[in-house]
This record gives sequence, structure tokens and C-alpha cells, in this order.
Amino acid sequence: DAGVIQSPRHEVTEMGQEVTLRCKPISGHNSLFWYRQTMMRGLELLIYFNNNVPIDDSGMPEDRFSAKMPNASFSTLKIQPSEPRDSAVYFCASSLSGLNTEAFFGQGTRLTVV
Amino acid sequence: AQSVTQLDSQVPVFEEAPVELRCNYSSSVSVYLFWYVQYPNQGLQLLLKYLSGSTLVESINGFEAEFNKSQTSFHLRKPSVHISDTAEYFCAVSDQVNDMRFGAGTRLTVKP
Repeated sequence: DAGVIQSPRHEVTEMGQEVTLRCKPISGHNSLFWYRQTMMRGLELLIYFNNNVPIDDSGMPEDRFSAKMPNASFSTLKIQPSEPRDSAVYFCASSLSGLNTEAFFGQGTRLTVV
Repeated sequence: AQSVTQLDSQVPVFEEAPVELRCNYSSSVSVYLFWYVQYPNQGLQLLLKYLSGSTLVESINGFEAEFNKSQTSFHLRKPSVHISDTAEYFCAVSDQVNDMRFGAGTRLTVKP
């Protein structure tokens, strides 16, 4: 398996634009996580899906952020409209069962909003 | 809800010196504990984990961590570090109820 695949690796966009980050989890994994990493706040869990259903979205910062998982092999994180403070590295991770097993991380998407 | 505290944001050490990266957690139920490592411009990779059984767990590259329930700690240690160990290290906890939470990370810098 190629691991968790995220795209794009880098995204530079202007303030106010819509940004969509994509994730393909490892085949067979039934849990998917979106994290945001910044120098100021470290690694933050944004949202967690289990069997394609959002379980915990308490980490989603505000209504400008939304995440979907239409099927077991694809998830998106959307920011609309984007703001400079959204600049960060966004990681997707997947795991089997979710709670007590290893999470496998993608390489991340570095988002810069100017 | 559980939480994780990594007491040191940065740890500089010289090559071949021992190192300890501290991690304390809080949880009201039984926990599963993890250490992840992040090399520059990469995602996080699992270093080692404690699920049950022996409280001392080891990684393949010489790191070890000990689960101490009374002190609610899971400190990471290595007796002799290499330049290649320079990275950011994250402690994480999950339990039977909550999803995985990560500490703020500790940046280990190994100097020659």
C-alpha cells in the first residue's frame, strides 16, 4: 500500500479563496483523522471519521471549515473563505478501529494563505 | 476527556549523550499511549506504543518508554543519541472512549 496520500503537497492561495485539501486513506482502514499543525498551537485534531461518519468535529475552528468523507477511500477538508491565519500544515491520518491502534499519517499539505 | 502534556518544548543534547523526553497524561479510564516522531517536512511516524502488558516498551532504533500509572507518565528515553535522531517527538494518548490526542511536541536537537 502506498500509505496515506494527500494532495496537494503545497498550496498557496489568496485570502478569500476556497481551498480544498484531499486525502486517500490506507485501504481497509475505517478511521480517518484531519489534523492541523502550526508553530503556535502544535498539532490539533480537527475532525475524526469512523466508517465515513463524522464522530468528533469539536476541533473544527469555525464554520469556514468543513470536511466530508463520501466513501471509505476519499476525504476532503474545505476552507471557504480562506484567511491568512489558516496557514498551516494539514495532515490526514488513517487507522484501523480508531482508538487504540496506530495512526498512519500522510505527508501533509502545506497551506499558505496570502 | 484526556489530555497530554509534554513538559519540554525543546531539548538540545550532544551526540552520544542520554536523553529523556517527558510526557504526562490525564485520563479517567485505561489509556493507550504512543510516541510519534516527525522528521523535517514529513508526516508523523509511530515510534513505539503501550497498549497493555509490560510497562516498558522499546523501538527498533534504541528508544524506550515506560508507562508509569501512579505518576501518569510515559517518558521517552535513549541512552545514547545520534545526529539522525534530531526530530520532533509527539506523545499521544487515547482511551476506550476518546480519540487520540497529541501533546504539543518536543523538538530534539542533537549536536555534534
